[in-house]
Amino acid sequence: QTVVTQEPSFSVSPGGTVTLTCGLSSGSVSTNYFPSWYQQTPGQAPRTLIYSTNTRSSGVPDRFSGSILGNKAALTITGAQADDESDYYCMLFMGSGISMFGGGTKLTVL
Amino acid sequence: EVQQLESGGGLVQPGGSLRLSCVASGLTFSRQAMSWVRQAPGKGLEWVSNIGGSGDITYYADSVKGRFTISRDNSKNTLYLQMNSLRIEDTAVYFCANRLVGARAFDDWGQGTLVTVSS
Repeated sequence: QTVVTQEPSFSVSPGGTVTLTCGLSSGSVSTNYFPSWYQQTPGQAPRTLIYSTNTRSSGVPDRFSGSILGNKAALTITGAQADDESDYYCMLFMGSGISMFGGGTKLTVL
Repeated sequence: EVQQLESGGGLVQPGGSLRLSCVASGLTFSRQAMSWVRQAPGKGLEWVSNIGGSGDITYYADSVKGRFTISRDNSKNTLYLQMNSLRIEDTAVYFCANRLVGARAFDDWGQGTLVTVSS
C-alpha cells in the first residue's frame, strides 16, 4: 500500500522561508500526480492553497508557491508570517479516480 | 461567493446508518464534480468519495467501499453521502468540497458535520 509522506512538523522564524515536501513511500512524485496543498487551522475547514503542482488558488498570496523538487512535491512559504502557523496537507491523484492525502505537517512560526 | 453547508451528522451506534447532505450555492452545481473528505478527531484529512457532475461516475476510498454511497440531486443543488454499517473508526468531521475542473483538486470547502459512531 503506497503512502503519501510529509514531515510531521517544521518550524520557521518570522520572515523566514520554509519548504515542506510531499513524497511517496514507493516511487517519485511528478506533475502527473497533480499535487495540491491545503492549509488548515484547528477547528476550521481546510483552505486550498495550490493545485496542479504550482497554481495558486484564488486569493492565495504569492509567498506561497508549489513545485517539484527532486522526487517530491514541495510547498515553499517565503517571508513566513505568524498566521501561517497551521497544518499543511498535500494530496496526490493516484489514478482511477482515487486521491490520497499525506499525514500533514504542523508548521510552527517562532 | 460559493457556500456549501453540510448537515445530517450526529451520534449513531456501530452498525447503524446515517445520511449526510451538503447544499451548495454560488456555483453551477450540475457542472461541478463534488467530493467528501473526512477528518477523525486529532487526525489528518482522508479523501472519502467523488462524484461527477451528472452523478454517473463515482469513486470511493477502500475504507468505505461497499458501505458508503455518494449521490446528488442537481435540482436541489445537494450532495449526499449515505453511510451504512458504520464503524467506530468512521467517527470524523465530514467535509464536502467542490472539485476544480481538470485539476484533480478541491476548490471550496464546507464547514463540516460531525459523525460520532459509539455505543
